[in-house]
Amino acid sequence: NAGVTQTPKFQVLKTGQSMTLQCAQDMNHNSMYWYRQDPGMGLRLIYYSASEGTTDKGEVPNGYNVSRLNKREFSLRLESAAPSQTSVYFCASSPFSGFSTDTQYFGPGTRLTVL
Amino acid sequence: QKEVEQNSGPLSVPEGAIASLNCTYSDRGSQSFFWYRQYSGKSPELIMFIYSNGDKEDGRFTAQLNKASQYVSLLIRDSQPSDSATYLCAVTGDSSYKLIFGSGTRLLVRP
Repeated sequence: NAGVTQTPKFQVLKTGQSMTLQCAQDMNHNSMYWYRQDPGMGLRLIYYSASEGTTDKGEVPNGYNVSRLNKREFSLRLESAAPSQTSVYFCASSPFSGFSTDTQYFGPGTRLTVL
Repeated sequence: QKEVEQNSGPLSVPEGAIASLNCTYSDRGSQSFFWYRQYSGKSPELIMFIYSNGDKEDGRFTAQLNKASQYVSLLIRDSQPSDSATYLCAVTGDSSYKLIFGSGTRLLVRP
């Protein structure tokens, strides 16, 4: 089991360029999440997908779009990158079995720099 | 705006000591509370969760929850240099599958 995988691991973009961050999980989890982590700010939720076919905005959705391609895959797209989107991006998944103690499991992260 | 507050640290303790990490939260409706450990340059990994008032022990780790005071803590006994990391507190938000994270406390265990 690979758990949660993310590609790419590192990326440098110029302002205005677009890109898609890929995330996949092999744990048969229902819910998937995208976070960004900035120094001193903790993890902030960008978008989440409670189950296949649904997506919802989190705390900081502006400038991003997501696609839940199937149960395994959840992608994050930056249409026109800005320097403020320089961050480390983590994908996570959880079973969403209905219990509030569902654990979120994190991927290794993508370090994105926007020049 | 629901908030989770942690002292950023660093909290420095000698090897073998007890490290005490604290977290307060603003939403009285939060039901579950999680502690994650994050090594520098790595992703967060779950240490433990707690949802009932009182203490929960798992090896060298003890989570303590006081819902009346909106306070959750993590004690690490017999601290080791390998425990040096940032510890993130997370609480359930307005739904059970969304978490709100604190900014983390950096722990440094001195050999």
